[in-house]
Amino acid sequence: GAVVSQHPSWVICKSGTSVKIECRSLDFQATTMFWYRQFPKQSLMLMATSNEGSKATYEQGVEKDKFLINHASLTLSTLTVTSAHPEDSSFYICSARDRAGTSRDEQFFGPGTRLTVL
Amino acid sequence: QQQVKQSPQSLIVQKGGISIINCAYENTAFDYFPWYQQFPGKGPALLIAIRPDVSEKKEGRFTISFNKSAKQFSLHIMDSQPGDSATYFCAASMNYGQNFVFGPGTRLSVLP
Repeated sequence: GAVVSQHPSWVICKSGTSVKIECRSLDFQATTMFWYRQFPKQSLMLMATSNEGSKATYEQGVEKDKFLINHASLTLSTLTVTSAHPEDSSFYICSARDRAGTSRDEQFFGPGTRLTVL
Repeated sequence: QQQVKQSPQSLIVQKGGISIINCAYENTAFDYFPWYQQFPGKGPALLIAIRPDVSEKKEGRFTISFNKSAKQFSLHIMDSQPGDSATYFCAASMNYGQNFVFGPGTRLSVLP
């Protein structure tokens, strides 16, 4: 149980285009989903916290107009990188909390999406 | 105060040996301390987690030791195997997963 999927697993796009990444909780309802960014050989940096039905909360330094987050249902959150540039190339990982789980602290992570902007 | 420090940055261990990774935190409001394992190109996977009311937790070859007064916790991997070669992250959070913070990671290599 507690599986989180991401789609696509990798994407290559041209500079200036927008890219949408989906994060789904497959077998549980996630009240809260999180989006992280990870550069090579570095730790995960929290970008934003997404609660179903409300606006996402962005971490300091993360441009909300650049990284649009939508959490339309209890099983789906999307991250859209708008007008992507090469510096946005990174590994994007989502995670979800199971609101009905025995451990409400635990986050279940998706497999990540590798974004390369040419 | 939100930071979690982790050491060493990298670790090389012989097969069968014990791998030890240490973490330290400042914020005493943290109440959940998980360890994650990440293979290249994959998302992190939860290994084991502990709460401050317990000083040690063991699951298979993985043990967390927790020292509340010192604000430190560590991961011990017994009988380390080449398949354990990965990056390990400690983390901390509070209030049912809020303010989730990762340590910088430790790259573990287990030699055959």
